[in-house]
Amino acid sequence: SQELEQSPQSLIVQEGKNLTINCTSSKTLYGLYWYKQKYGEGLIFLMMLQKGGEEKSHEKITAKLDEKKQQSSLHITASQPSHAGIYLCGAVGGGADGLTFGKGTHLIIQP
Amino acid sequence: GAVVSQHPSWVICKSGTSVKIECRSLDFQATTMFWYRQFPKQSLMLMATSNEGSKATYEQGVEKDKFLINHASLTLSTLTVTSAHPEDSSFYICSARKGRNGYTFGSGTRLTVV
Repeated sequence: SQELEQSPQSLIVQEGKNLTINCTSSKTLYGLYWYKQKYGEGLIFLMMLQKGGEEKSHEKITAKLDEKKQQSSLHITASQPSHAGIYLCGAVGGGADGLTFGKGTHLIIQP
Repeated sequence: GAVVSQHPSWVICKSGTSVKIECRSLDFQATTMFWYRQFPKQSLMLMATSNEGSKATYEQGVEKDKFLINHASLTLSTLTVTSAHPEDSSFYICSARKGRNGYTFGSGTRLTVV
């Protein structure tokens, strides 16, 4: 079954600084999703990557999928308090067509 | 857009009773929906895949008689936690698939069994 490992598990960053979250898969990724979650709430879709070497950006968030399609990174530039939350990477795999998720990265932005 | 509505957002029930959670796709039809469970400070674990008009597919270790799933229409899937116990207290989230690659999530249901 597919396993996704996220690092770091938690991250405290001063407001305005850049940060990167990584997601590594045990198998080739055929679709890698990034979501953001506030504790106790639903998931907000950020981006989806499919092709090796693909990179997508939305506002200050950039996600990349490596050429081998086994690792993805999420980069936030000039972090703001609104970026705080739990970032989850997910991929199709495991049971049926549902998404398998990494354990998440808890991001705290310090003013 | 793709909007998924989940109801209720939170529920408290007594041990031994059953609780039903609804997941609706509001602006699209979803032949496949998914149910996840999330414990505090942990990731989402896929419980089952809900298929419209057929039986749900459960992940290993998930009791199908305890977590009843019904997907009677293209816009509604329900999860019923039967004979709930305190250890069933958790955050349950549904997801509906739109097209081949779109996964939209509901806002989740916080279940507390007392």
